[in-house]
Parts: sequence; C-alpha cells; structure tokens
Amino acid sequence: AQSVAQPEDQVNVAEGNPLTVKCTYSVSGNPYLFWYVQYPNRGLQFLLKYITGDNLVKGSYGFEAEFNKSQTSFHLKKPSALVSDSALYFCAVRDSFGYNKLIFGAGTRLAVHP
Amino acid sequence: EADIYQTPRYLVIGTGKKITLECSQTMGHDKMYWYQQDPGMELHLIHYSYGVNSTEKGDLSSESTVSRIRTEHFPLTLESARPSHTSQYLCASSGGPEETQYFGPGTRLLVL
Repeated sequence: AQSVAQPEDQVNVAEGNPLTVKCTYSVSGNPYLFWYVQYPNRGLQFLLKYITGDNLVKGSYGFEAEFNKSQTSFHLKKPSALVSDSALYFCAVRDSFGYNKLIFGAGTRLAVHP
Repeated sequence: EADIYQTPRYLVIGTGKKITLECSQTMGHDKMYWYQQDPGMELHLIHYSYGVNSTEKGDLSSESTVSRIRTEHFPLTLESARPSHTSQYLCASSGGPEETQYFGPGTRLLVL
C-alpha cells in the first residue's frame, strides 16, 4: 500500500537560514513524488515533482527536493528561507502504474522568523 | 489562461439546506477530484472522475454526490447540509503524462 510520512508537524527556521522539510514514502514500483504548498485560506499550489532522472529536482520559488531511493525520502529544501515561505507544505506520492490517486502526507507547517 | 475555478469561495448556510459547490477547469484535463480538508489539516479524497459520466467515491466516506456531464465541470452536491459538513472543499484536476494535480482555491463551508 502507498503511504507518505511527514515526521515533523512544524519546522521553525530563521530568515536567511537553509530549510529542510522531510518526507518519506512507501510505494510499489517506481514513485512519482510531489511537493505542494498551501497558504492560509487558499488551495494547494504545485511546487515540484520527481518522476525520473536527476535526483535533485528544482521547483518554484527557489525550492528544490532531493530524491533518495535507498532511504525512500524526498526532502524539500531551500538554501535561504524567507518569511514569505511560511506556509503549510504537503508531500504526495503515487505509483507509476497509471493509478492516478495521490496519497498526501499530513502536512508540515513551516514558520520562518525574521 | 488555464486555471481551476471554485465558487463560492465562502458559504454559510443553515442545517438541512441543499448546496452545490461548483468547480470548473480550463486546463483541458480529463481527470478531476474533490478533497475535504479541515483547516490546516490533511487532505481526504472524497470523489474523483476519470472523464465524462465517470465518478467514483474516494477514500473518505462522504454524504455528498458529484456529477460529470461536461469535461470541464465537476460540481459537488450536499442534499441536506449538517454541521458535520463544515470544512474546506478543494477541487483539483490532472493531466499530462505524469498526471500532476492542480488545485482550485477552495470553498470554505460553514453549516450552522
């Protein structure tokens, strides 16, 4: 069965410092992995995805994520956090067999302090 | 511009009323989804559709129903709203070879 874990309910980081939001997954076959961000009273915005190829994926707003097959992880990173990055972040996975339902993690709240 | 639209954005309604939440997309996608999300919490898939006249129930049981008569339109209906239906409802569609899902802005429903 597919599953996603985001082990941290909240991540706190000072503005200008690097940030990491963790995600691990379990899926049959090759994973399709996604990160989304949600600002208050808004829908989810797509940030980036890993399908195949280079393990380091670059996305919107300076975010990137590293796919690690051996650790079944897909951590979201940014070299220098901004206060405006404060939001709720969701990791999601689906298998590559054409079954299109995404499985979402519980979300991680990122708080960037000035 | 290709996008996903949801109306209304906010709805306050009394118990027992019938409501329809609208979702439309100009993305040209075949697949559409409805999620339920309590504020700041995880998402729960309640309905999905792979195309016209195709609808399936999701992982979370819901008293709502959906229809898909046109590719771009996927409305969700509650025949008799109850306070337990108070939540945020997010519509999404997907397309392309990886079926990346894109979300609308959501409808926040409050049932009194």
